Amino acid sequence: SQQGEEDPQALSIQEGENATMNCSYKTSINNLQWYRQNSGRGLVHLILIRSNEREKHSGRLRVTLDTSKKSSSLLITASRAADTASYFCATEGDSSYKLIFGSGTRLLVRP
Amino acid sequence: EAQVTQNPRYLITVTGKKLTVTCSQNMNHEYMSWYRQDPGLGLRQIYYSMNVEVTDKGDVPEGYKVSRKEKRNFPLILESPSPNQTSLYFCASSLIAGEETQYFGPGTRLLVL
Repeated sequence: SQQGEEDPQALSIQEGENATMNCSYKTSINNLQWYRQNSGRGLVHLILIRSNEREKHSGRLRVTLDTSKKSSSLLITASRAADTASYFCATEGDSSYKLIFGSGTRLLVRP
Repeated sequence: EAQVTQNPRYLITVTGKKLTVTCSQNMNHEYMSWYRQDPGLGLRQIYYSMNVEVTDKGDVPEGYKVSRKEKRNFPLILESPSPNQTSLYFCASSLIAGEETQYFGPGTRLLVL
């Protein structure tokens, strides 16, 4: 079962532009995480936002969480070609021991 | 360097030939997990382990076995691989389950003929 669903599935932008990805989930959560995956490689943790937080920043990343709408967004500002990757949100499954990933957003940043 | 390692990185095998993919972490993490990644399906959890000798099924456990005899190792065993197990496999670990960042291995690309 998929808890998180990312939108859009694919995004192509010019270097320097901002990229926004959205994640919707179905059940109550304690936290939500965002990961990045470069083509065919392991996932790298970007940021974790807890259910009592509304916004969190890390460098050029800004994550928001709206628990009333069961949604989160990841904003990458001033994008670079190196940001080209797939981005996944992840939430707990039916127990805190399970982590469920969405199907991801493929981001292409054109030089 | 803190890391999760997997071996082998690439494997081609034939239907029915037992194989093991190893996973090891050097961060003294309690929680370890296996995922498979398939196009259009994202990552799906196969098995996880909360600590030594404690394992449980994820969302897609059929056809797989795991063991956790030591804290640092969490091998994934395919007793009789089938072509539908062709996939990209990731091992991950975290200090504890739930509210902690998971650290991922580099992945094992498996092709079952």
